[in-house]
Amino acid sequence: GENVEQHPSTLSVQEGDSAVIKCTYSDSASNYFPWYKQELGKRPQLIIDIRSNVGEKKDQRIAVTLNKTAKHFSLHITETQPEDSAVYFCAASRGAYGNKLVFGAGTILRVKS
Amino acid sequence: DGGITQSPKYLFRKEGQNVTLSCEQNLNHDAMYWYRQDPGQGLRLIYYSQIVNDFQKGDIAEGYSVSREKKESFPLTVTSAQKNPTAFYLCASSTGPNTDTQYFGPGTRLTVL
Repeated sequence: GENVEQHPSTLSVQEGDSAVIKCTYSDSASNYFPWYKQELGKRPQLIIDIRSNVGEKKDQRIAVTLNKTAKHFSLHITETQPEDSAVYFCAASRGAYGNKLVFGAGTILRVKS
Repeated sequence: DGGITQSPKYLFRKEGQNVTLSCEQNLNHDAMYWYRQDPGQGLRLIYYSQIVNDFQKGDIAEGYSVSREKKESFPLTVTSAQKNPTAFYLCASSTGPNTDTQYFGPGTRLTVL
């Protein structure tokens, strides 16, 4: 089955700097890759997602890149702000009938002001 | 995701007792999911249901049971067979098996006393 590895497990950046979180996946049939943000004690919230027919997607300060050949995808946050501090999870899915998301272990992002 | 509710928010259980966690959605979503989250770990799939009266085991189904008698409801029972049930439980839904985006409920924190 699918296995998703996420790095780093913790990341501290200075406010205004960029943050990059990377994930690798094992199932070459996976074609849907969402990123979730989870604040302490709250539900995960979808922040951006990408499908395998696209190499990059941007939404304001957030971008995701996908390299299907190497089977890895990354989340990029620019101009970080204290409210970006949270746990970020990547996930992968085949997107076909069955639709099981496999999650990475998460990255704790701390933005220092 | 505001259309997915879980109750209770906090639940305490004595060892040997079964407990049922509620998940309701008014989004008219076909598919529903249950995940377990432990500290410092990602989300692990317990059970999922793609349509009413049908459900499949996820990666960690042992000690859990579900039902899907109505489209809006997908309750999870944590049985006494689950040896380490203390965790944060998250319910999610998506519009259908071929639509990947999953939206999460607010979660139930279960503690075994």
